[in-house]
Amino acid sequence: QQQVKQSPQSLIVQKGGISIINCAYENTAFDYFPWYQQFPGKGPALLIAIRPDVSEKKEGRFTISFNKSAKQFSLHIMDSQPGDSATYFCAASNRYAGNNRKLIWGLGTSLAVNP
Amino acid sequence: NAGVTQTPKFRVLKTGQSMTLLCAQDMNHEYMYWYRQDPGMGLRLIHYSVGEGTTAKGEVPDGYNVSRLKKQNFLLGLESAAPSQTSVYFCASSYGGKGTDTQYFGPGTRLTVL
Repeated sequence: QQQVKQSPQSLIVQKGGISIINCAYENTAFDYFPWYQQFPGKGPALLIAIRPDVSEKKEGRFTISFNKSAKQFSLHIMDSQPGDSATYFCAASNRYAGNNRKLIWGLGTSLAVNP
Repeated sequence: NAGVTQTPKFRVLKTGQSMTLLCAQDMNHEYMYWYRQDPGMGLRLIHYSVGEGTTAKGEVPDGYNVSRLKKQNFLLGLESAAPSQTSVYFCASSYGGKGTDTQYFGPGTRLTVL
């Protein structure tokens, strides 16, 4: 059972467009929601993260929107560029897991930005 | 600062052979992780370690063993490789286990089991 459901599985966007990737969760104990970016042939790297006490976090062209009541969060990439073509993973962390707080990962979204 | 390094980058094994993947980090991180990545399956945690001399099972531990004899190294072993273990393996490390600590990933090892 996937605790963090990510959609879509793949996404094609034109250069300059907005890319939107969505994630949903059920466990209300989750209190940290990072997004990781993975380029082909590389390991994932942290892109941006949010806690549920804020509804939005922006870093450059990347924005996380968080809807606590709906238990959803999304990544928006404004003015998408071919260099943004990568796989994006959302994740969540359970505040009650103590020293064993592991990341619960979505299945990933493959983004292709056409020039 | 090399970050997280993995050895080897590529490997082809025959069914039944054994091998060890080496992960090293130079960031003095306490926590280390081994993941496997398969198409459509995301990142699945195999084993992890919360400090030198400790190991714990993740969600897909069967067929793998690990050791953390030194803080900077985390070894993943396959005793008898199976085709189902064909995958890309990633090692990661983090300062602590809060879950909010950033995980730093290595470049991966692509393993093919024939």
